[in-house]
Amino acid sequence: ETGVTQTPRHLVMGMTNKKSLKCEQHLGHNAMYWYKQSAKKPLELMFVYNFKEQTENNSVPSRFSPECPNSSHLFLHLHTLQPEDSALYLCASSQGDGSLSGNTIYFGEGSWLTVV
Amino acid sequence: AQSVTQPDIHITVSEGASLELRCNYSYGATPYLFWYVQSPGQGLQLLLKYFSGDTLVQGIKGFEAEFKRSQSSFNLRKPSVHWSDAAEYFCAVGPSGGSYIPTFGRGTSLIVHP
Repeated sequence: ETGVTQTPRHLVMGMTNKKSLKCEQHLGHNAMYWYKQSAKKPLELMFVYNFKEQTENNSVPSRFSPECPNSSHLFLHLHTLQPEDSALYLCASSQGDGSLSGNTIYFGEGSWLTVV
Repeated sequence: AQSVTQPDIHITVSEGASLELRCNYSYGATPYLFWYVQSPGQGLQLLLKYFSGDTLVQGIKGFEAEFKRSQSSFNLRKPSVHWSDAAEYFCAVGPSGGSYIPTFGRGTSLIVHP
């Protein structure tokens, strides 16, 4: 059982749909992350939140909209996606307190997204 | 900025054989280093990490890794591979100060033959 829970595990959506991915961490961490993992591509960091504030946005298209209402929850709102956005979306968390031990990232199981 | 290279895209071993997965990093100071494993359809699970101290690090599932500063390497080893070890393995390197976000390698796919 993972300390980072993602729902749904699988999502199929049309290009005109609006959907959201949800992530919840039960580890008492302060930093949360969204990563994108596509076939044959490196892991791509999308967004980072630390103490609910967005600290990283790696030039992600605006059709992806993150939301972090508190340190335990992270959402990724999806709107008018493209087929090339089909991928595994991984949520992760870390202590985010700047300490060495706090830099260890723990991942959820991922949400498989297929855009049709 | 730090970078990490996993030179092998695929590694094939026979069950029971020993395993070594390579990881080389580039970073100006002492890095912190991780190995993660990803089974098919799953997220990444932390195998082990190195921050400081003993350069030989023990992890879960019988894995170990050795930090060699002179070679800028952090290779993952296992003395006897099991079929269930077939997975994707990711090395990650991060700075010891400032931005705390590690950089991940492209991964090495481990195939285990019976």
